[in-house]
Amino acid sequence: EPEVTQTPSHQVTQMGQEVILRCVPISNHLYFYWYRQILGQKVEFLVSFYNNEISEKSEIFDDQFSVERPDGSNFTLKIRSTKLEDSAMYFCASSDRTASTSTDTQYFGPGTRLTVL
Amino acid sequence: AQTVTQSQPEMSVQEAETVTLSCTYDTSESDYYLFWYKQPPSRQMILVIRQEAYKQQNATENRFSVNFQKAAKSFSLKISDSQLGDAAMYFCAYRSASWGGSEKLVFGKGTKLTVNP
Repeated sequence: EPEVTQTPSHQVTQMGQEVILRCVPISNHLYFYWYRQILGQKVEFLVSFYNNEISEKSEIFDDQFSVERPDGSNFTLKIRSTKLEDSAMYFCASSDRTASTSTDTQYFGPGTRLTVL
Repeated sequence: AQTVTQSQPEMSVQEAETVTLSCTYDTSESDYYLFWYKQPPSRQMILVIRQEAYKQQNATENRFSVNFQKAAKSFSLKISDSQLGDAAMYFCAYRSASWGGSEKLVFGKGTKLTVNP
């Protein structure tokens, strides 16, 4: 069964450094999302992406964050200058909501655990 | 803004017994989707079940079923014949289905389910 994949599974970085989190969505999906979950807290929406542009973003998604689809398979989240409070689990998700048979369900990857020291 | 409330931070059940997890939500929209996601210790988010608000029939997936009460804005998850592998954090989530509405999933804080042998 097709699934969303994410790399790396765990990333440790120093405060102020740039990180790029990578995701490979399910191949026929056209909508992509990033969420984050700070340890012990609820999952929070960051951004959605469709047709090579951001379609929606949350207040959390400030100028330190950016997303990109550099090729036909990858979808990346970049944090330019990491802060301690960026430590969280970051989930990528994708959906096929444009398909006529779509269930409009978002399928999640296994997550990348980001630790900022 | 939509909100999702899970009033049970923790629940426990005996193996083979039935347990019900509660979820309420607040929205002014009439067209939306509701989901239950499971997050085991690996922290991956796994879709358990999905309900469209326009459908009166409650969704079922094998041992998992929901009790969707649209007027009461309630969406509970029933797990029958509980298994040790059901132990996880369970998140209730809402997504708008309105044309031009938000694409994001809004999550509750989760309920930690323990299954006792």
